[in-house]
Amino acid sequence: GQSLEQPSEVTAVEGAIVQINCTYQTSGFYGLSWYQQHDGGAPTFLSYNGLDGLEETGRFSSFLSRSDSYGYLLLQELQMKDSASYFCAVRSENTGFQKLVFGTGTRLLVSP
Amino acid sequence: DAGVIQSPRHEVTEMGQEVTLRCKPISGHDYLFWYRQTMMRGLELLIYFNNNVPIDDSGMPEDRFSAKMPNASFSTLKIQPSEPRDSAVYFCASSLSEDRARATQYFGPGTRLTVL
Repeated sequence: GQSLEQPSEVTAVEGAIVQINCTYQTSGFYGLSWYQQHDGGAPTFLSYNGLDGLEETGRFSSFLSRSDSYGYLLLQELQMKDSASYFCAVRSENTGFQKLVFGTGTRLLVSP
Repeated sequence: DAGVIQSPRHEVTEMGQEVTLRCKPISGHDYLFWYRQTMMRGLELLIYFNNNVPIDDSGMPEDRFSAKMPNASFSTLKIQPSEPRDSAVYFCASSLSEDRARATQYFGPGTRLTVL
């Protein structure tokens, strides 16, 4: 089977940096994705790691360590609009490369 | 370019009634996914299709749920009979097999289903 663990909630202030961790257990691991979902909205793609290391996209970065079965999403220069839920999701060779299994999500609250 | 389209956006029905949710994927995408999201269970994959063929329906909760994809531009998720525990937001998503590097899924706005 597959399982992912994320913190349920993280709080931070505007302008700060926050890291959302994700640990996973899956056979045939292929890659780790991150999605953002605002309240009442749909999940939208943020970032993907297929290889170890850091991927940077503007204020957002994502990191993967295959040996530790661990990844994180780093959000810099936090803005109020970053208040949302963030989901990590794994791809596995064993379940088809297009299928994603999502974690339970981390709710990020950004305060002024 | 239009994204994934879902209808209806909201559905309120009574227990025992049949519910049909509809989805139009992004043109050219060959994968289509149906998800259900609740506070208790998070975002669950119900079923997905590739080139209109169901690939994995292991997430479909029970026989009351069925999904079809008669052509590349249309899919339905049907619940018959509906029960209050089916109340959730149902998302449809699509992706492109050529996007092998990231397998990005594009989600529709969702259908909020309430079964009374």
